[in-house]
Parts: sequence; structure tokens; C-alpha cells
Amino acid sequence: DQQVKQNSPSLSVQEGRISILNCDYTNSMFDYFLWYKKYPAEGPTFLISISSIKDKNEDGRFTVFLNKSAKHLSLHIVPSQPGDSAVYFCAASANTGNQFYFGTGTSLTVIP
Amino acid sequence: KAGVTQTPRYLIKTRGQQVTLSCSPISGHRSVSWYQQTPGQGLQFLFEYFSETQRNKGNFPGRFSGRQFSNSRSEMNVSTLELGDSALYLCASSFLGVGTQYFGPGTRLTVL
Repeated sequence: DQQVKQNSPSLSVQEGRISILNCDYTNSMFDYFLWYKKYPAEGPTFLISISSIKDKNEDGRFTVFLNKSAKHLSLHIVPSQPGDSAVYFCAASANTGNQFYFGTGTSLTVIP
Repeated sequence: KAGVTQTPRYLIKTRGQQVTLSCSPISGHRSVSWYQQTPGQGLQFLFEYFSETQRNKGNFPGRFSGRQFSNSRSEMNVSTLELGDSALYLCASSFLGVGTQYFGPGTRLTVL
């Protein structure tokens, strides 16, 4: 049972434009969300987090939006750079420990 | 601070054998979680250890086990290996066991 879903396996964006990666979840108990970036043969690298008390969190070029009523979050990357090309995972937790549920990932390609 | 380290980075085993993977968390982190990543799948949660106690467990058979030592280092063991156990095994650590997890580079296990 996939509680966190990333329905777009891949996304291509021109350099300098906005990249929007989406994530949906089914468990209303989830209250903490993370985005990770992963390059081949490396472990995921933490990008940005958001808790359910917020609906937006920014860190440089990365902004995460949370819509609790729709059980949807998105990651915006502006402007996109070729070095952003990687697989992006969203993860959610009900804060009952460190059990995070991950989506299947979206492969982002930023075209120079 | 040094990041999360995992050894070995690569392993090749045959069906029926057993394997032990090791993870050293970031200094000061007391929680270690293990994940399995297979092609086309997101990260599947195996288990989490906090202060030497298994606190959460995912939906994996009993062939998968783990432990944590007093210095927070963790090991994961898989007995009676099957072909389907071929995967990237990732561990992640966090400070208090709630919140952002930081991943190691993973151990690539191939079962022949």
C-alpha cells in the first residue's frame, strides 16, 4: 500500500525555468514531510522539510508547499540549473518515530 | 562532522548465504533507520533503532534483522538470501529520532 505517491516518474525542464515536483499522500496522520535529491550510486541528500503547521517553506531556490486538505505537497525549484538533474523523493512521517514513507521518485532533467 | 558511513559499499553473494551490513551514524545521532531500494521502487522502510532498541519495523520477513550498539553504530543482517534481496540498502541517522534523516551512500547487494 503506497501511502506516498509521486505520479510523475520523470520531468524535463529548460535551464532557468521553474521545476515543479508533486507528491500526494493518503495518511491524514502525516505531519512532517521531507524532500531528498538523489544522484546515481549515492545516498539521498536532504533538501528541505515542512511540518504540517506550515503551508510553505523556502530555502534559497527551493520552496515546498503543503496543502493539507488535498494531501498534496510540491517542490518548486527556481531557477532550475543543470546540476539539479537528479531523482527527487518526497517522504512523510506521522512523527511517531523515525518511520518515513517514501514516494517512488521523480527523475528531473534540466536541459541547458 | 563526518557523514553517515556504510560498509561495505558493494557486496556479491549467492542464494542461501547470509550477509551483514554496517552503518555508522553522524556523531551524536542516536537513531538509525534502514531502507531497501529496488529498481522502480521508492525506499522501503526496514526498521529503526534508537538507543539500542528497535522502535519501528517495516513489513519485511524475519530474515531481515538488525541491532544497534552502545556507540549508535548499527548492523543489518539478512539470512538465507534470495535473488529478490538484490538492492541498494541505505541507512539514515537522525539526532533525536524524530525529524530529518541523513543518509549514507548505501551498500549495493547483488545476490546471484
